[in-house]
Amino acid sequence: AQTVTQSQPEMSVQEAETVTLSCTYDTSESDYYLFWYKQPPSRQMILVIRQEAYKQQNATENRFSVNFQKAAKSFSLKISDSQLGDAAMYFCAYRSYFGSQGNLIFGKGTKLSVKP
Amino acid sequence: DGGITQSPKYLFRKEGQNVTLSCEQNLNHDAMYWYRQDPGQGLRLIYYSQIVNDFQKGDIAEGYSVSREKKESFPLTVTSAQKNPTAFYLCATSPVGGLEFFGQGTRLTVV
Repeated sequence: AQTVTQSQPEMSVQEAETVTLSCTYDTSESDYYLFWYKQPPSRQMILVIRQEAYKQQNATENRFSVNFQKAAKSFSLKISDSQLGDAAMYFCAYRSYFGSQGNLIFGKGTKLSVKP
Repeated sequence: DGGITQSPKYLFRKEGQNVTLSCEQNLNHDAMYWYRQDPGQGLRLIYYSQIVNDFQKGDIAEGYSVSREKKESFPLTVTSAQKNPTAFYLCATSPVGGLEFFGQGTRLTVV
């Protein structure tokens, strides 16, 4: 069974600085997706970024980028120029590539605080 | 207005009662999911359905039941057998093999 581990329950960053959230996962599959979701106090789950395992290039979405290390089974999220609105819970998630088993497997989350 | 509607937003249940959480979607997605979120636990899968009249247990299905009589609807019943039902419940949908979209959630509290 696949597992996702986020080893940092809480992180803090100064506004305008850069922060990296860690995620490791375990799987025997070779094709899969990885995601970072943001959950602000409203508790709405918002997709931040996703990575297909077959792609070597790291995904980037504006200030958000990932460092995907397939051999190490590591998938960290870097937030550049942190803003107050980035404060939230961040969840790393795994999904099998094969569509018949499409549910997400989540880590326990990292609570990010942004200091003004 | 397309999307996923979960209702109610807040729900209170007396011990020993069954309660049903609603999830409706007009995205025409085949797959629907129910997740439970507890503090420090992340999201855990309760049930999912890939097609009408079919559903599968997730990791924590005990004490819950679902139905999928219509493509648009996937209600979750929290039965009296669920020992600790107080949690935040999220419904999600996806096209088969596609990205998941989440509803706004229902906060269930046992009083």
